[in-house]
Amino acid sequence: EVQLVQSGAEVKKPGESLKISCKGSGYSFTSYWIGWVRQMPGKGLEWMGIIYPGDSDTKYSPSFQGQVTISADKSISTAYLQWSSLKASDTAMYYCARLKIITMVRGYFDSWGQGTLVTVSS
Amino acid sequence: DIQMTQSPSSLSASVGDRVTITCRASQSISSYLNWYQQKPGKAPKLLIYAASSLQSGVPSRFSGSGSGTDFTLTISSLQPEDFAAYYCQQSYSTLWTFGQGTKVEIK
Repeated sequence: EVQLVQSGAEVKKPGESLKISCKGSGYSFTSYWIGWVRQMPGKGLEWMGIIYPGDSDTKYSPSFQGQVTISADKSISTAYLQWSSLKASDTAMYYCARLKIITMVRGYFDSWGQGTLVTVSS
Repeated sequence: DIQMTQSPSSLSASVGDRVTITCRASQSISSYLNWYQQKPGKAPKLLIYAASSLQSGVPSRFSGSGSGTDFTLTISSLQPEDFAAYYCQQSYSTLWTFGQGTKVEIK
């Protein structure tokens, strides 16, 4: 069974750094892209970026480029999303999801993590 | 960026009703359109991929259609467990975008 298990909720202060994780199991972690999706309180879904753990190829949404860093450690089947300096506006639920490719880099998110709630408040 | 516009933003319906949600792309995306369901406090769940392919395990009352710029998600007979938010998402462009969502509520 494909599973993506995310790290637990975080409460941080503005300016602090943070790295959240997403551990994959039940499939070949290096053969599928992993994406990150933000959902701000009461709002819709926003795609942030994706990473291919096999070679760490990464693509970012322009809205998030330079604001976050996506990485992966294939030795432990884990993808990461990190911030160097959090802002109150980063308060949101963050989901990781596995991308099933149809062709090229076009596909769909077929398995999702349970989400990590990040709260940034002074 | 390709903009995805869903309509309506919300709707009220009764159990047994036929429900249709529309998603329009700002440019042609061929059939690279997916639909997700999200219940409160839960992660999204894939329902339909490539515009009309039903994800394994999803009830057959869900169906998708369309190509180019106009797409539809249909629930043939609404069940109590279908009250949720629904999102379309395009993957034609590598700058994937979601629609703003449609909330299906109980009438």
